[in-house]
Amino acid sequence: EAAVTQSPRSKVAVTGGKVTLSCHQTNNHDYMYWYRQDTGHGLRLIHYSYVADSTEKGDIPDGYKASRPSQENFSLILELASLSQTAVYFCASSDPNQNTLYFGAGTRLSVL
Amino acid sequence: QQKVQQSPESLTVSEGAMASLNCTFSDGTSNNFRWYRQHSAKGLEVLVSIFSDGEKEEGRFTAHLNRANLHVSLHIREPQPSDSAVYLCAVSPRNNNNAPRFGAGTKLSVKP
Repeated sequence: EAAVTQSPRSKVAVTGGKVTLSCHQTNNHDYMYWYRQDTGHGLRLIHYSYVADSTEKGDIPDGYKASRPSQENFSLILELASLSQTAVYFCASSDPNQNTLYFGAGTRLSVL
Repeated sequence: QQKVQQSPESLTVSEGAMASLNCTFSDGTSNNFRWYRQHSAKGLEVLVSIFSDGEKEEGRFTAHLNRANLHVSLHIREPQPSDSAVYLCAVSPRNNNNAPRFGAGTKLSVKP
């Protein structure tokens, strides 16, 4: 069954440490996205990609890097984690024609 | 940049009564609108998609789009307690190489 799988499901990180969130999709979709969710803010777009080896900045890219080494994999990297990056992170994929997003289950990140 | 706003922030209805949720957007060239549902910080599931003015029904869920008024709504017929969740509006621009933007969500509670 086609799916979007995020790992880890939860993580506790220390301030200033490096964090990598991973996303793998088996939907054969070209487009992939990273959003973060905070109470009262809905989903905010961090980075997205519509082809392997290329990424685009979303609305809140500061403090985040993205990597798309293959169609199936899309990573979000926090080089120097900060308290303000505590949130739930969602990865999604979509077909460019239909544009319906298929979401992973989310990663709950706590930065202490 | 696309702005998406949802109202009300929270809504309580009785089981069987109609629930109506609203979403306004800023980019009048947007042509791709979806409503998603999220149960308790879990992943999101798409409920209904609409691409032209008028209405689109998917089971008990009906979306109404009026692009001249920059407004899209979701109506839930005969809501049940299991429909209690956060409902998110997503708006995509005409250019599919740009990502969907979300509103902050409406938290719906359905009382038995």
